[in-house]
Amino acid sequence: EAGVAQSPRYKIIEKRQSVAFWCNPISGHATLYWYQQILGQGPKLLIQFQNNGVVDDSQLPKDRFSAERLKGVDSTLKIQPAKLEDSAVYLCASSSPGGGPSGANVLTFGAGSRLTVL
Amino acid sequence: DQQVKQNSPSLSVQEGRISILNCDYTNSMFDYFLWYKKYPAEGPTFLISISSIKDKNEDGRFTVFLNKSAKHLSLHIVPSQPGDSAVYFCAAPGGYNKLIFGAGTRLAVHP
Repeated sequence: EAGVAQSPRYKIIEKRQSVAFWCNPISGHATLYWYQQILGQGPKLLIQFQNNGVVDDSQLPKDRFSAERLKGVDSTLKIQPAKLEDSAVYLCASSSPGGGPSGANVLTFGAGSRLTVL
Repeated sequence: DQQVKQNSPSLSVQEGRISILNCDYTNSMFDYFLWYKKYPAEGPTFLISISSIKDKNEDGRFTVFLNKSAKHLSLHIVPSQPGDSAVYFCAAPGGYNKLIFGAGTRLAVHP
């Protein structure tokens, strides 16, 4: 099966500019996640969708970050305006809950979009 | 609030020897744990999982051990190969089907 697709792979912007990342999950996966991974840290959940509804966005800085999932398939994550501390890799993942070994929810990640804010 | 902790940022092991990566957790209600492996410029990929009702799960060269009384799990790689050089993350379910990740341990396997 095709994996999780993300674009762009790399983006460099000046602070206060805007940027958008796109994700296409694995076909049939109802749940889609956006994680932020800062260098030296583990991935941190920003937002989670179930179909086209938001399940958890408690860690999303809503004053500058927004995300949507169009028709329950593709998703876009936007940052406006960007700050220096937003420099990170933005990982999109999808899952079919309980489909892993022993009922574990195994997330499949895309390659990520690396953002550098200057 | 770090519910999943990996206290060793890095580990260096000689090829052919055993690699042991450790992970501690605080929530005794976690149903399962997962290990992910990440190469540079790639996303994390699922490696192995363990249910909380088990204390060991093995898949080829990879074995995960779970010590519930100590709230500790470890990933053993035997024998270690240069291709195992990567960052390893442990993860646990954080509710609503999301995963909480540790900070990761960078493993370097040298010839």
